[in-house]
Amino acid sequence: AQSVTQPDIHITVSEGASLELRCNYSYGATPYLFWYVQSPGQGLQLLLKYFSGDTLVQGIKGFEAEFKRSQSSFNLRKPSVHWSDAAEYFCATNSGGYQKVTFGTGTKLQVIP
Amino acid sequence: NAGVTQTPKFQVLKTGQSMTLQCAQDMNHNSMYWYRQDPGMGLRLIYYSASEGTTDKGEVPNGYNVSRLNKREFSLRLESAAPSQTSVYFCASSEGRLGYTFGSGTRLTVV
Repeated sequence: AQSVTQPDIHITVSEGASLELRCNYSYGATPYLFWYVQSPGQGLQLLLKYFSGDTLVQGIKGFEAEFKRSQSSFNLRKPSVHWSDAAEYFCATNSGGYQKVTFGTGTKLQVIP
Repeated sequence: NAGVTQTPKFQVLKTGQSMTLQCAQDMNHNSMYWYRQDPGMGLRLIYYSASEGTTDKGEVPNGYNVSRLNKREFSLRLESAAPSQTSVYFCASSEGRLGYTFGSGTRLTVV
């Protein structure tokens, strides 16, 4: 069965520092992969998605993610974090059809001055 | 530009009471979903509707029922609420596999 793993439950970075959030997937074929962000008290918002083609995908809010098949990873990156990026981030995959989206358990990002 | 609208935003129920969570989308999406979110567990799929007139169980359907009233609306019903159903509930919609649009959630507490 498809799954995604987010090994970091909580990450703290300084404002202006770079950020990388890890996501590993398990699925045989090329997966459909997503990153979502959830601000406190809000629903989830789609940051970016990967289906095929260029392995480096750009998203909203200055985020990007790189698909690495050899490492079964789809890590989220941002060169310079802003205080407003503090939120919870979820990696997800729906390789088994759109009704079978599986979410990771989330990584909570704290941004300190 | 409403997207996905959920009502109510907050609800407190007593054990054994029933209620219906409402969800409506205005993007003409075919597929709609209900998830619950619990700390440390991510989001878990309760039920989904691939298209109008169809519904299917997800990962955690016990204690819930759904109705796809029309293409826009997908409701979730708790017939006899239990404390284990205390959670934040999210409705989402999608077209194909392009990613979900989520509502802002319903925070439900069962006492």
